[in-house]
Amino acid sequence: GAVVSQHPSRVICKSGTSVKIECRSLDFQATTMFWYRQFPKKSLMLMATSNEGSKATYEQGVEKDKFLINHASLTLSTLTVTSAHPEDSSFYICSTTSNGGSSYEQYFGPGTRLTVT
Amino acid sequence: KQEVTQIPAALSVPEGENLVLNCSFTDSAIYNLQWFRQDPGKGLTSLLLIQSSQREQTSGRLNASLDKSSGRSTLYIAASQPGDSATYLCAVTMDSSYKLIFGSGTRLLVRP
Repeated sequence: GAVVSQHPSRVICKSGTSVKIECRSLDFQATTMFWYRQFPKKSLMLMATSNEGSKATYEQGVEKDKFLINHASLTLSTLTVTSAHPEDSSFYICSTTSNGGSSYEQYFGPGTRLTVT
Repeated sequence: KQEVTQIPAALSVPEGENLVLNCSFTDSAIYNLQWFRQDPGKGLTSLLLIQSSQREQTSGRLNASLDKSSGRSTLYIAASQPGDSATYLCAVTMDSSYKLIFGSGTRLLVRP
């Protein structure tokens, strides 16, 4: 399967600061990436769909000005949590699909644990 | 609105047992269904993908079935091993947009 990396794996920041999380597809070009958020012992909630070269599509209830997504190249999407607050503490995971053909499997990054103090 | 439910939420079994994890969904018009494994603090690993036209998929000791009309899928794990301990998530897509709707997962513990 495809290889997806995330950086950093863990980050601790103070309230009011911004944090950037990177998601990279290492072995293929990804026109579409997805950003999920996972609370402890809960399932994943889709936050937004990141499209290379265009604006991201956000799910209902997700603040686009708070969670800035940039997909500037076919191998990199970034999620910036702006003016972070403790309630933004969560596990953030990105994913992508291998291609736009018949395979709909998604490949996930290892996740980024964000703690806002 | 599609809702995906997984039962049980947690399961503990002795090594060697065969077990079944359940996933149900409220809207049967799914595009496909996927089972994932998640280890603590890690990302997800895709286990099996079942297209809406398929009834089951197998990979090694894993077998996933799909009954669209009843809104159910099961993941069967044969001869469980301690290394199978993880959280298992099922997720559906409703169209070709790849957007996944996840269940809350089943936390599996296989005791040596």
